[in-house]
Amino acid sequence: QKEVEQNSGPLSVPEGAIASLNCTYSDRGSQSFFWYRQYSGKSPELIMFIYSNGDKEDGRFTAQLNKASQYVSLLIRDSQPSDSATYLCAVTGSNFGNEKLTFGTGTRLTIIP
Amino acid sequence: DAGVTQSPTHLIKTRGQQVTLRCSPKSGHDTVSWYQQALGQGPQFIFQYYEEEERQRGNFPDRFSGHQFPNYSSELNVNALLLGDSALYLCASSLELAGVQDTQYFGPGTRLTVL
Repeated sequence: QKEVEQNSGPLSVPEGAIASLNCTYSDRGSQSFFWYRQYSGKSPELIMFIYSNGDKEDGRFTAQLNKASQYVSLLIRDSQPSDSATYLCAVTGSNFGNEKLTFGTGTRLTIIP
Repeated sequence: DAGVTQSPTHLIKTRGQQVTLRCSPKSGHDTVSWYQQALGQGPQFIFQYYEEEERQRGNFPDRFSGHQFPNYSSELNVNALLLGDSALYLCASSLELAGVQDTQYFGPGTRLTVL
């Protein structure tokens, strides 16, 4: 079982619709969860982080965390063509201090105009 | 506020050669982590440096080594290059506060091609 799993896609969503990206993780003790966006040929760019169960909203983005189900998701509302990218889910381990990031393979999202 | 910088941007080497990649952390950050991202994969953790010492290491052979300088900048060295070392090498910096690491921010990366 992979430590962090994501559907590789591609996921195609019409412009203006809601894009839903999902991620599961195997380490039940994981403490911190991150979503990064990566455009082709570029480096990952932090979109959101979440530490506690529930929802966290930032503009058009909402991160959702369910530690009991070991599941984290990212919703993108009013999807724009500029949202077309690969979205990487990353988690840290059981200690809050100085943890490496463990990434999934990413989900490729395409917004259709 | 300067972000994370890396050099060079691109690099082409042949098998068996050695390479050094450089990273300057975001202003105010003291921790540097290195990741390798192969095409179509997520970044894989190589190691992390804090206070000029390697604090954590991922599942990479000893051919991969690093260093952190007093100004917090860092180098990644790879010896005896293999074709499989071709990848995007990412540096991420963060700040440790009271034993807790803040969010990691990535530099633009160095694209290494081994022929």
